[in-house]
Amino acid sequence: GENVEQHPSTLSVQEGDSAVIKCTYSDSASNYFPWYKQELGKRPQLIIDIRSNVGEKKDQRIAVTLNKTAKHFSLHITETQPEDSAVYFCAASKTGNQFYFGTGTSLTVIP
Amino acid sequence: GAGVSQSPRYKVTKRGQDVALRCDPISGHVSLYWYRQALGQGPEFLTYFNYEAQQDKSGLPNDRFSAERPEGSISTLTIQRTEQRDSAMYRCASSLRGTEGKTQYFGPGTRLLVL
Repeated sequence: GENVEQHPSTLSVQEGDSAVIKCTYSDSASNYFPWYKQELGKRPQLIIDIRSNVGEKKDQRIAVTLNKTAKHFSLHITETQPEDSAVYFCAASKTGNQFYFGTGTSLTVIP
Repeated sequence: GAGVSQSPRYKVTKRGQDVALRCDPISGHVSLYWYRQALGQGPEFLTYFNYEAQQDKSGLPNDRFSAERPEGSISTLTIQRTEQRDSAMYRCASSLRGTEGKTQYFGPGTRLLVL
């Protein structure tokens, strides 16, 4: 099955700086890659996603890049704010049904 | 509108007892997924349904775990003869349709503690 690895496990940045979280996947057939944000005690919520026919997608301060050849994708958050502090999970899916999640990155934005 | 709901939110049970966890998806959502999330880990896929049909149950850890969605709406995840290692957060999610990577909306989860 698919194996998704996520790095780093923890990340601290100063407010206003950028944060980058990276994920790799093993199954070259995976074609859908969502990112979820989970605040403490809350449920995971989708923040951005990308499909394999696209190399980059941006939504305001959040962007995701995909390198199919290298089988890795990254989440970029610019101009970080304290409310960006949360655990972020990447995931990969080849059917759009069974999702394989990374182990999460705990992001802390220091005011 | 109403999101995905789960009940109970917390369940404490003794080892060897059976538990049933309920998921009420967003109205009209065709696909329903069950995940298990250990503390500090990402959600781990268990099984999913399209309508009432269980499409994939490859993530269920063993035959003590089962799930059903008899009318294509509410789903129940049942764990028989619970063991301490079953303790975790159990989350369900729903989406309009599983194909083409439609957004999954997660429920608040049921935190299960097996003593």
